Amino acid sequence: AQKVTQAQTEISVVEKEDVTLDCVYETRDTTYYLFWYKQPPSGELVFLIRRNSFDEQNEISGRYSWNFQKSTSSFNFTITASQVVDSAVYFCALSRYTGNQFYFGTGTSLTVIP
Amino acid sequence: NAGVTQTPKFRVLKTGQSMTLLCAQDMNHEYMYWYRQDPGMGLRLIHYSVGEGTTAKGEVPDGYNVSRLKKQNFLLGLESAAPSQTSVYFCASSRTSGGPPGELFFGEGSRLTVL
Repeated sequence: AQKVTQAQTEISVVEKEDVTLDCVYETRDTTYYLFWYKQPPSGELVFLIRRNSFDEQNEISGRYSWNFQKSTSSFNFTITASQVVDSAVYFCALSRYTGNQFYFGTGTSLTVIP
Repeated sequence: NAGVTQTPKFRVLKTGQSMTLLCAQDMNHEYMYWYRQDPGMGLRLIHYSVGEGTTAKGEVPDGYNVSRLKKQNFLLGLESAAPSQTSVYFCASSRTSGGPPGELFFGEGSRLTVL
């Protein structure tokens, strides 16, 4: 069975602080894909990143970075120098290779206080 | 440049009424999905479709039916609405077709309240 756990329900940080959102997953597949999505207060869901299970290189995109560790089944997301616009609910998701089902975590609500 | 469009955006139903949510995508995607989002429960898959004329059950299919008569459209039906179906419904599509999963493209969501 596939499962994604986001243990942090809500996080509040002061603007310019760094924050890490945790994501732990469970799967018996050897090939799988991990995703992060952002849901700002407006409600739409926005794709941030996709990572396959064979690529454990960390990725950086501007203030965003992702740390994938297969040994701990984690795919954590760090925002550096947070801004108010980063306030949103962030979802981590897992997909099997066939890609016909995505398993979402329960989300982490991030509030950045100005 | 519409992407994924859901209609209606808001709806209030009485228990026992029926309704259909329409999802349309203009990206020629093969895969389409219906999710519901409830507080503290994240996104849960209701039904999905891997192509025109095919549908499959997801995690929480009870009380819902779907149809994919045309590739660009995916309909979600509630035959007899119940208060437990009060939720925000998201449609999504992806270009996945038998290979690695592409990203999901989501609609704006449809907020359904069942009284």
